[in-house]
Amino acid sequence: GDSVTQMEGPVTLSEEAFLTINCTYTATGYPSLFWYVQYPGEGLQLLLKATKADDKGSNKGFEATYRKETTSFHLEKGSVQVSDSAVYFCALSDQGTGGFKTIFGAGTRLFVKA
Amino acid sequence: KAGVTQTPRYLIKTRGQQVTLSCSPISGHRSVSWYQQTPGQGLQFLFEYFSETQRNKGNFPGRFSGRQFSNSRSEMNVSTLELGDSALYLCASSLPLLGGRWTGELFFGEGSRLTVL
Repeated sequence: GDSVTQMEGPVTLSEEAFLTINCTYTATGYPSLFWYVQYPGEGLQLLLKATKADDKGSNKGFEATYRKETTSFHLEKGSVQVSDSAVYFCALSDQGTGGFKTIFGAGTRLFVKA
Repeated sequence: KAGVTQTPRYLIKTRGQQVTLSCSPISGHRSVSWYQQTPGQGLQFLFEYFSETQRNKGNFPGRFSGRQFSNSRSEMNVSTLELGDSALYLCASSLPLLGGRWTGELFFGEGSRLTVL
């Protein structure tokens, strides 16, 4: 079945450091890929998405490129801020005969120190 | 536009009791999904409803059930609560397929945090 694997956390960085959170997936179809972010005490919110191979999603300085050849969707940001401290989830969504289902990775907690 | 609303936000129950959680999706969204979030297991898919029909179900015991009403509001029920059911239950809604390829974006509520004692 479909699955998502992302790097374990927590990841601790200093402000203005470069961030990479690795995400790889397995899927039988042609899924859409997402990064969601969860701030403390809140639900998840969409950070960025890509719907087909070679698409690049970007938002708030974060970027991720849909790489079909390596089945990856790594999240990057050039300069993190304290306010980026949160849990980041990689996810894939695919539509089968029974409707669609979204599969999430385990989440990676990011701490950014001032 | 109002977001996804979940009630109650917090609740405490004891083992053996049952609980009902409610979710009101964004207006116009006809698909509602439920997820269980725990520190050990992460986000686990429970079920997804579209137009009052359950289309997908995750790997949870029959104690977990749900339904969707004609106004797209959804409820989930957990019977005979166990300590391991303590979790954050998240509801998410999404736009219907509009003829083109569905992108799969989910809009989440803030969750209902259930504690079972």
